[in-house]
Amino acid sequence: EAGVTQSPTHLIKTRGQQATLRCSPISGHTSVYWYQQALGLGLQFLLWYDEGEERNRGNFPPRFSGRQFPNYSSELNVNALELEDSALYLCASSPRGGSYEQYFGPGTRLTVT
Amino acid sequence: GEDVEQSLFLSVREGDSSVINCTYTDSSSTYLYWYKQEPGAGLQLLTYIFSNMDMKQDQRLTVLLNKKDKHLSLRIADTQTGDSAIYFCAESPNLTGNQFYFGTGTSLTVIP
Repeated sequence: EAGVTQSPTHLIKTRGQQATLRCSPISGHTSVYWYQQALGLGLQFLLWYDEGEERNRGNFPPRFSGRQFPNYSSELNVNALELEDSALYLCASSPRGGSYEQYFGPGTRLTVT
Repeated sequence: GEDVEQSLFLSVREGDSSVINCTYTDSSSTYLYWYKQEPGAGLQLLTYIFSNMDMKQDQRLTVLLNKKDKHLSLRIADTQTGDSAIYFCAESPNLTGNQFYFGTGTSLTVIP
């Protein structure tokens, strides 16, 4: 069974640009979560999508947004990039909303210059 | 928000036991987890414990939970060089809330 996949692996953008990160959950999983792992800060919860709807949001500004598609894959969009947005962005999926197990992808390394 | 704290670094010699500690503040935590992150990889769920349990053992891994002190530990017996990674403690307040709170991670270095 394929795991959670994310693309691209690395992304380099300049300040002010927009970044789009993609995630495909494990087949059969309906929930997708996004986390930011900045250096020295651990994982910060960004967004949770389940069945196409945004269910919960972490303490991030509105320029962080996303969506979930009918096939349960998801996009994370970051507008007006700032230098401090440089981080590893991790996507996770779980079998259903409220599941206590999350399966993580390898992440997308976003570098903002 | 909930705070989950871990020490940043731990070094042990190969063959010794490693103990990674974690404290959390949310007394309503239902599930507590340990994840492992190897260099360049995502997080891998190692084990979890429900808050009504004191201990859980899974092969070389032992999780101890002191709910009164809000303290969670992960013991790795016979630590191997392949255990070198960052270990994250995480807690979830409830089954359906679905928001995980992670610690900053403990970087374990195993010295051959």
